[in-house]
This record gives sequence, C-alpha cells and structure tokens, in this order.
Amino acid sequence: DSGVTQTPKHLITATGQRVTLRCSPRSGDLSVYWYQQSLDQGLQFLIQYYNGEERAKGNILERFSAQQFPDLHSELNLSSLELGDSALYFCASSVEETAYNEQFFGPGTRLTVL
Amino acid sequence: AQKVTQAQTEISVVEKEDVTLDCVYETRDTTYYLFWYKQPPSGELVFLIRRNSFDEQNEISGRYSWNFQKSTSSFNFTITASQVVDSAVYFCALSEAGDSGAGSYQLTFGKGTKLSVIP
Repeated sequence: DSGVTQTPKHLITATGQRVTLRCSPRSGDLSVYWYQQSLDQGLQFLIQYYNGEERAKGNILERFSAQQFPDLHSELNLSSLELGDSALYFCASSVEETAYNEQFFGPGTRLTVL
Repeated sequence: AQKVTQAQTEISVVEKEDVTLDCVYETRDTTYYLFWYKQPPSGELVFLIRRNSFDEQNEISGRYSWNFQKSTSSFNFTITASQVVDSAVYFCALSEAGDSGAGSYQLTFGKGTKLSVIP
C-alpha cells in the first residue's frame, strides 16, 4: 500500500458525460501528479500540482482540468467524454517537486466510456 | 525532449531463469533520474529503484540488479532466478532536473515490458 488513495476504483459512463476522479496523496506529500495509462499511448503525464498550485502540464486535453485543494487532495475533471478517454488514471504523490523524489502511485481509477 | 525506449514488448521465461529487461533513454539534461516501476496484474504501480545520473554504480537488491551505463544511455534491469511472482509489466522512467531549461519533474515512461514467468 503506497498511502495514496484514489476514488472511485471503477467508473463506467457514457460519451458526452463529465466525471470527477479524486486523489488523496500520502500524508506529508505536497506534490500531486496525474497520469493516464491507455493501450495505445502507454503511461502519459497529464498535470502536476504542488501545494495547491499548478506546476506543469503534459499531454492533457482541454476537456480535462484538475485542481489541488488546501487539504492537498486533488481532483481530475474529465468532460465531454469520448470513447478514447477510456483508460486507467493514476494519481501519484511525492514529498517535494524535485526530479529526485520517487513518486508513489495510487491504485488508479479505471474509466470506461461507453 | 526526453524519451525512454523499452524495445522488448513481451518476454517469457521459465521459472528460475535469469532475465534482463532493457531500457534506453534520451535526455539533454546532465542531471536526471532513472526509475523502474513494476505493475503486477492487480494494476498498481510499485516503485523499485531510483538512480541519479552521477552515480553509475550497479545496484543489487536480492534477486534484482540494475546496470546503469551513461556511455550507452542504458539502465537495464536483471532478475536472477525468476519466480512466478515476478510476472508483471515493468516500466523504466526518466525524470529530468531541468538544467537544460526544458525539463520538468514528471516521469516519462517507456512503453513497458511484459514479463511472464512460466512455472
């Protein structure tokens, strides 16, 4: 158990809908990262927050957004969902936002868009 | 831009055989970190090891060992006397410290190598 929690574990929804994925980092970790794992794209970085501030963006679609709250939990919002958004979404956390710190991954949320 | 290549998509070995998973990386930074993660069938990503760009010492942890060679930009992972529990997808990843001005702290992953250990 990495100490990172993600809810829900599974999510099934329809095209055009909007969903919110939630992540609670390990106690004491200030940095939160979101990654998407799909069969065709592999594991891709989406976005990073540090202590409530957005710090880096990767291959994140405009239909997706995220935020980190004062209690450091983070939410990833996916809207106007398409079939291709079906994937495993991971949240990871680290103590600081350095290249050195290993990132601890949550169990993931499996999103299925029908 | 940073890139990680794991050329082996799938490997099958018989239990107790040794197996090496290859990882080749590209980066313009002089300071960077390399990682290996394991993803068992249950789906979670488990951190295995971190190595920084200034430390080329090989590392051994039980049946696992890692060989880092800057000259060939490789960071290979060897499992000795493989066991069925080693069956998983293994990911090599790179994190840049940003001294080239283009890096960020996110992990860039390879496509992964699926290892199947047959009893």
